[in-house]
Amino acid sequence: AQKVTQAQTEISVVEKEDVTLDCVYETRDTTYYLFWYKQPPSGELVFLIRRNSFDEQNEISGRYSWNFQKSTSSFNFTITASQVVDSAVYFCALTRGEQGGSEKLVFGKGTKLTVNP
Amino acid sequence: NAGVMQNPRHLVRRRGQEARLRCSPMKGHSHVYWYRQLPEEGLKFMVYLQKENIIDESGMPKERFSAEFPKEGPSILRIQQVVRGDSAAYFCASSPPAGTQYFGPGTRLTVL
Repeated sequence: AQKVTQAQTEISVVEKEDVTLDCVYETRDTTYYLFWYKQPPSGELVFLIRRNSFDEQNEISGRYSWNFQKSTSSFNFTITASQVVDSAVYFCALTRGEQGGSEKLVFGKGTKLTVNP
Repeated sequence: NAGVMQNPRHLVRRRGQEARLRCSPMKGHSHVYWYRQLPEEGLKFMVYLQKENIIDESGMPKERFSAEFPKEGPSILRIQQVVRGDSAAYFCASSPPAGTQYFGPGTRLTVL
């Protein structure tokens, strides 16, 4: 069975601080995909990143970066120089890779990030 | 390039009524997924459909819930005889084959 654990329920930081959101996953599959989604207060779900299990390169996109480590089954997300607009609930998710990722997403419970001015 | 469309955005039903939630996938996407977000819980998978086929319904409650994705028109999630415990946000996602799932804005269902 697949499982995603986001141990941090809530995080509060002051603007311009760096913050890391942790994600630990469990799967027996050798091929799988990992995702991060953002849910701002308005409620929609915004796709941030997809990573397959064979690509352990870290990724940077502007102020966002992701650290994928298979040895620890972790896919952590760092926001550098946080801004108030980063305030949201962030979900880490996992899917099997047999169908190229076209399978159900298993979500963590989310981490609520509050960035204070 | 329109994203995933869901309607209505908000739906209020009384206990015992039926709720019909609609989802139009992104252009070029042939796969549709439904998820439910209950208060204080995370997002839970309900069902995965392709045109005219249910591929995985392992997350669907056994009774009162059904889903379809007809050859023409949007995907429909139908909840019969709603109860208060059905109050939740229902999200639809779509993807191309072997692609990333993109989500719609959700339908907030309130059962009185």
